[in-house]
Amino acid sequence: AQKITQTQPGMFVQEKEAVTLDCTYDTSDPSYGLFWYKQPSSGEMIFLIYQGSYDQQNATEGRYSLNFQKARKSANLVISASQLGDSAMYFCAMKNYGQNFVFGPGTRLSVLP
Amino acid sequence: EAGVTQSPTHLIKTRGQQATLRCSPISGHTSVYWYQQALGLGLQFLLWYDEGEERNRGNFPPRFSGRQFPNYSSELNVNALELEDSALYLCASSFVSTSTDTQYFGPGTRLTVL
Repeated sequence: AQKITQTQPGMFVQEKEAVTLDCTYDTSDPSYGLFWYKQPSSGEMIFLIYQGSYDQQNATEGRYSLNFQKARKSANLVISASQLGDSAMYFCAMKNYGQNFVFGPGTRLSVLP
Repeated sequence: EAGVTQSPTHLIKTRGQQATLRCSPISGHTSVYWYQQALGLGLQFLLWYDEGEERNRGNFPPRFSGRQFPNYSSELNVNALELEDSALYLCASSFVSTSTDTQYFGPGTRLTVL
């Protein structure tokens, strides 16, 4: 069965510093997609970044990058130059073909001024 | 391009009543997903519709039901409301149900059961 694990319930980071949010996954399918979403206090889920299981390079989107280590089944999100507006819940998710998305429990990131 | 829309934004009901939540996907998207998020908790998968068919449902009782219309919009119905149904209900849509598509979320409907 597919499963996403996020072992950090909460994280603190100083403004302008980089932070890594951990995500490990479990699947037996060779084809899958990995996603990160941000949920501010307003409640809306915002798509951040995507990584395909066959992608050779790590995905990057502005200040977000995904550290994809396929053999270790990890897909950590790296946020560079943290901003106060980055304070939010962050969810890692996985999608296999023909199946619904599976979400992790989330990590609450707090950016300190 | 308009994003996923949900209505109403807030809904207040009393125990035993029925609630109907609506979702309009991004134009061109055929898959719609429903999630329940209780306060301070993660997302619990409720239902997945694709091309008008129910593809999968989460571990919820039958009083949670829904449908997808020919224009791909969707409706979530919750019958015999209980206090623990109070939550944020999120709808998401995607283009095709492959492993590479991306799910985009609406702003959610906050349901309060008194």
